[in-house]
Amino acid sequence: KNEVEQSPQNLTAQEGEFITINCSYSVGISALHWLQQHPGGGIVSLFMLSSGKKKHGRLIATINIQEKHSSLHITASHPRDSAVYICAVRRKSSGDKLTFGTGTRLAVRP
Amino acid sequence: GAVVSQHPSRVICKSGTSVKIECRSLDFQATTMFWYRQFPKQSLMLMATSNEGSKATYEQGVEKDKFLINHASLTLSTLTVTSAHPEDSSFYICSALDRGYRYEQYFGPGTRLTVT
Repeated sequence: KNEVEQSPQNLTAQEGEFITINCSYSVGISALHWLQQHPGGGIVSLFMLSSGKKKHGRLIATINIQEKHSSLHITASHPRDSAVYICAVRRKSSGDKLTFGTGTRLAVRP
Repeated sequence: GAVVSQHPSRVICKSGTSVKIECRSLDFQATTMFWYRQFPKQSLMLMATSNEGSKATYEQGVEKDKFLINHASLTLSTLTVTSAHPEDSSFYICSALDRGYRYEQYFGPGTRLTVT
């Protein structure tokens, strides 16, 4: 079993829909990252969380440390949101190294 | 946000040659950088941790003589793929750790290496 699990693996949505991507982890962490990777390959860091909730534009990220679970929400989705979304955790036992989930491939149709 | 650049973005080389990839932090000093490899439709795999002024720390299974890492300054780390083979063809991504108040990793845009 992977230490970081994401669901769903693939997601197709219609433009305007509310989207949720989930991330569960089984290790103690000091921080959790949500990353976005577009088809060209470049990775953008969306959020870094250690507790609570963060919002940036149409994106919201939450984390529940007790339940070892985080969610990324996209409101009013748009085709330009189509990308792979990756959850990564900084394990307490691994210093600054990140452990990555397998990613969620999102396609938003117009 | 902070910017990390990689050069080149794409490179094609012949088997047996060496290729150098540069990773630069443009607006912060990075004592630690990470090198990742990504195969199609797979997640990132950490290859090594690059520390300024000291030897890199390689992950298990990564050949240190094949993937040479040099972190000679606080803003530059290089990855050299030596004696490249077609199986080294991949997408290589670096990240740089900003130990400022945000304490966050910033990723480079990646380098696509094709070995013919």
